Amino acid sequence: KAGVTQTPRYLIKTRGQQVTLSCSPISGHRSVSWYQQTPGQGLQFLFEYFSETQRNKGNFPGRFSGRQFSNSRSEMNVSTLELGDSALYLCASSPTSGEADTQYFGPGTRLTVL
Amino acid sequence: GDSVTQMEGPVTLSEEAFLTINCTYTATGYPSLFWYVQYPGEGLQLLLKATKADDKGSNKGFEATYRKETTSFHLEKGSVQVSDSAVYFCALSDPRDTGRRALTFGSGTRLQVQP
Repeated sequence: KAGVTQTPRYLIKTRGQQVTLSCSPISGHRSVSWYQQTPGQGLQFLFEYFSETQRNKGNFPGRFSGRQFSNSRSEMNVSTLELGDSALYLCASSPTSGEADTQYFGPGTRLTVL
Repeated sequence: GDSVTQMEGPVTLSEEAFLTINCTYTATGYPSLFWYVQYPGEGLQLLLKATKADDKGSNKGFEATYRKETTSFHLEKGSVQVSDSAVYFCALSDPRDTGRRALTFGSGTRLQVQP
């Protein structure tokens, strides 16, 4: 099975712009979670989607949003970018049953805000 | 809330040395525990997991045992290789609400293995 894929892998934006990141989960996985990784804050949970519904949300401002499509692909959007949004954004998918507590990560999107 | 504490790195070892990376957790209930590994420029790879007390997860020579009495999940490997150089993350998942998926991570421990 193909793993979790994320596009683009690298992105450079300037302050004030907005950005959209994409994630395709492992085939058959319906849960998609997003994490932000920075040197200062480490790995922090952003949100989780299941069957096109946000089920869980971390402690991030409303500038961070996401959605999930009927094919389980997910996007996250960051509006009005700030320098502090520079990070590696990781997407993870989980199976619906069996090892439902296990998350499988993609390679990430490296966002640089100038 | 839930939390994970890992030993500070970097951990520098010679090839074939024994590895231990300590991980302790705080959680209400009985979380599932994970070790993930991150190689330079890559995402996280699941290394091993354990879902209940006294379970031992193992993979690629790495092992970790879920110790409820000490709330620990230390990672061990008997003989490290240069290719094991990476950052290792301990994480937990609260199973109380199966509808919510949010891993809580430790800060990561960088391992450097010298030839």
